[in-house]
Amino acid sequence: EIVLTQSPGTLSLSPGETATLSCRASQSISNNYLTWYQQKPGQAPRRLIHGAFNRATGIPDRFSGSVSGTDFTLTIRSLEPEDFAVYYCQQYGNSWTFGQGTKVEMK
Amino acid sequence: QVQLVESGGGLVKPGESLTLSCAASGFTFSDYYMGWVRQAPGSGLDWASYISGSGTATFHADSVKGRFTISRDNAKNSLFLQMNSLRAEDSAVYYCARWNGGFDYWGQGTLVTVSS
Repeated sequence: EIVLTQSPGTLSLSPGETATLSCRASQSISNNYLTWYQQKPGQAPRRLIHGAFNRATGIPDRFSGSVSGTDFTLTIRSLEPEDFAVYYCQQYGNSWTFGQGTKVEMK
Repeated sequence: QVQLVESGGGLVKPGESLTLSCAASGFTFSDYYMGWVRQAPGSGLDWASYISGSGTATFHADSVKGRFTISRDNAKNSLFLQMNSLRAEDSAVYYCARWNGGFDYWGQGTLVTVSS
């Protein structure tokens, strides 16, 4: 089973700053099959990025994904108030697994 | 527009059974894999089961294998999760979601509580 480790657990930032979230896989993920989700309290998750760096429909371009080997990154430029939430990564290259999440909170 | 509406959650005792349903609309249901993702209170996301568009292939997480069965009725645009031998650790919000290189549409979730 591929284990995904997200870091940091919590990121404290101010609006306008850049958030850099990491998702490290325990082994190579075929075809970089990794998705990022955003979840706000009381809501279902929302897909942001699929295939490591492809923005989903309707997602602002301040959200971007990148990959280097087994290290996947979600970058959120110029944080807006609505971006403060929990973010999860999920791999689908070998069955499915989720990371444990990173909370982006307002400083 | 795509809509997924779950139902069937509730409070049950350990060892009991429950069936969740998900009514889908706004897309060609049979074209998509569908899945059930659960989230225990205050915890992260965890997939339970998923099924191919035709319903011929099903997959279950090790934690539910042998106890949960996913199925679908494409004629009725419906997805189901039969949950047997429920345990306290199965308590969670269960989301029905459409698979499209990630889950691109989610229902609002239905709460399952397993407690004596």
